[in-house]
Amino acid sequence: EVQLVESGGGLVQPGRSLRLSCAASGFTFDDYAMHWVRQAPGKGLEWVSGISWNSGTTGYADSVKGRFTISRDNAKKSLYLQMNSLRAEDTALYYCAKDPGSNWGTDSWFDPWGQGTLVTVSS
Amino acid sequence: SYELTQPPSVSVSPGQTASIPCSGDKLGDKYACWYQQKPGQSPVLLIYQDNKRPSGIPERFSGSNSGNTATLTISGTQTMDEADYYCQAWDSSTGVFGTGTKVTVL
Repeated sequence: EVQLVESGGGLVQPGRSLRLSCAASGFTFDDYAMHWVRQAPGKGLEWVSGISWNSGTTGYADSVKGRFTISRDNAKKSLYLQMNSLRAEDTALYYCAKDPGSNWGTDSWFDPWGQGTLVTVSS
Repeated sequence: SYELTQPPSVSVSPGQTASIPCSGDKLGDKYACWYQQKPGQSPVLLIYQDNKRPSGIPERFSGSNSGNTATLTISGTQTMDEADYYCQAWDSSTGVFGTGTKVTVL
C-alpha cells in the first residue's frame, strides 16, 4: 500500500523558516515525481511545488517562488520542502502527493495524498 | 495566471444526477482531473485525463471536457457523496486547482 506521511509542521513566527518532510513507502520512490499541495484553513487547494524523479526539474507556484525550495532524497525515500521568509498567508495544511510519472506534465495528477502537516505562521 | 472557476455549491437529491462544471480558458485543450475531499480528510482522486476512473472509484462518477468547460457528473448520487469537489489542470507546468464546489445531498 502506498503511504505518504508528512511531518515538520508547527507554529512559526513571520520571517522565520521551517522544513517539511514527507516519508514515502509502498512504491519505488525514485521512479516518480512528487508534489506539495497546501490548503489554508477553510479554503481551497493550491499547488505549491513539484520535483521530478531525479531532482532535475522543479517547479513552484508564483506565491512561493524564491522563498520555498523542494528537494528529495531517493535513498531515504523522502521529499522535503524548505520554507523561508514565511508569511501569515503561508498558514495551511501542507500535503505531499505522488505523481503518476517520473516527471510531471500536462497529463499529471495527484494520487495518493498524505494526511498533511499543519503550518501556522503567526507572531 | 490561469484560473479554473467552479460554482461554490450544488444541491442534489439522493438518487439524482449532479453536474459540477469547471470553467477555464480553452480548458478542453488540457487534461482535467477531479478530486473529492470529505471534511477532515485528504483529497482523493476521482477522475484523471478528463474521463478515466482510478480503480476503486464507483462508476457513478464520470467526467468530460470540451471547449472551456470540464464537467464532473455524479449519477445516482448517494448521501456519502456529500463533499467538496475540486477540478485541476496544468498550465505551463504549473498546477491549477478550481475554486471548489460543495455538494450537498438532501
